[in-house]
Parts: sequence; structure tokens; C-alpha cells
Amino acid sequence: DTGVSQDPRHKITKRGQNVTFRCDPISEHNRLYWYRQTLGQGPEFLTYFQNEAQLEKSRLLSDRFSAERPKGSFSTLEIQRTEQGDSAMYLCASSSPDRVRSFFGQGTRLTVV
Amino acid sequence: QQQVKQSPQSLIVQKGGISIINCAYENTAFDYFPWYQQFPGKGPALLIAIRPDVSEKKEGRFTISFNKSAKQFSLHIMDSQPGDSATYFCAASPTEGAQKLVFGQGTRLTINP
Repeated sequence: DTGVSQDPRHKITKRGQNVTFRCDPISEHNRLYWYRQTLGQGPEFLTYFQNEAQLEKSRLLSDRFSAERPKGSFSTLEIQRTEQGDSAMYLCASSSPDRVRSFFGQGTRLTVV
Repeated sequence: QQQVKQSPQSLIVQKGGISIINCAYENTAFDYFPWYQQFPGKGPALLIAIRPDVSEKKEGRFTISFNKSAKQFSLHIMDSQPGDSATYFCAASPTEGAQKLVFGQGTRLTINP
């Protein structure tokens, strides 16, 4: 399977704990995006990387959230001191700049209890 | 700020019928308009996309109609099948810069056999 891969698929954590998610994009794609999707809503943009550079962050991304893409390949999204409001599906997408089309992974479903 | 408005929220269509979902956008910088299909627990899958230089694009049973002056676009699913039952999201993005997607709220489509 050469699509976008996300790990884990599901994560249940206690409020106040830190969590980290991983995304492996399609190998030739240099653009990587993180989105968040709450129940019954469309995905909302969180942040964007071109290669290893984080070029844009949404105001939705509070200082408890941090994302990295250290070698321009896989990316991680960390949430510190999780809150119940962080419960959502976290989606990763990748694209190549000349194609525009974004392809999504299966997402990581986070539940904060 | 809701930049892409989608309707209806839910839609029930008989097998073999035509499903129609509508979207309207505000930002004139948008020049790429994809539709995504999402099944429960899965990430969004790109279905079909259009750019403003054409008024219609057809791929199999799926057609996008685009009205640039009205800033509206719609998805038509011909000969709707029970397997088409899913949530559909319209989206929009510019093709310059980050190319981040702005999604509509989604339409839950049910095809009755």
C-alpha cells in the first residue's frame, strides 16, 4: 500500500497526558498537512509542511500542539496536557505541488477521558 | 468564518436516482474544488475535482457542475447505489501558496435499496 499511513488508528488517553501521532506520506509528496475533524464536521486545517519546513499554522493549533517533519519524510503531531476538547479525528494528507490533489490517511481517532 | 457552505446536511435517495449536493464559496482566491467521500471511521477519499476554467466535469457516475459567477458548485451522482451511502464533503483551495483545503460541513447521503 503506497497511500498515506497514520499510526495509531485509535488512541484513548487520560486528560493531562501527552500523546504523539505519526504520519507517513506518499513517498514522492513533499507537502504534508494535518487536519482535525470533529464529529459531524468537515476537516479543519491545522498545519502544513513543505519538505521539513513548517510553513503555516492555524490559530486552532494552540501552544499545546507541536508538529515536526524532521527529514522531510514522516511527520509527528504531539499534543501536550490533553483536554477533553482535543477529542477528534486527526487526519494527515500529502500532495505534490504540481498536482494540488491532497490524499488523506485513515486518521487517528483520539479520545480524551 | 464559514468559507464553504454545503447543503443539504442529509439526503435520502432511492436506488437508481440522482443525488445532488450543493456548495457555495466566498473566497475568490479559491481555484480548485474537490469532492471527498468519507465512510465511517475512514479518512476522506478524493472523488472528483474541478477548476474554474470548465463548467462541468464528469467521471463515471459522478459529475461536478461549476458556476463561477455565482460562486457555486455541485456534485451529481447518477444511478445512485447503496454503496454510495457515505458522507460527502466539498472543499476549496487556492492553487498558489499552501493549497490548504477549506471543507464544507458535509452531507450524509443514504441510498435506499
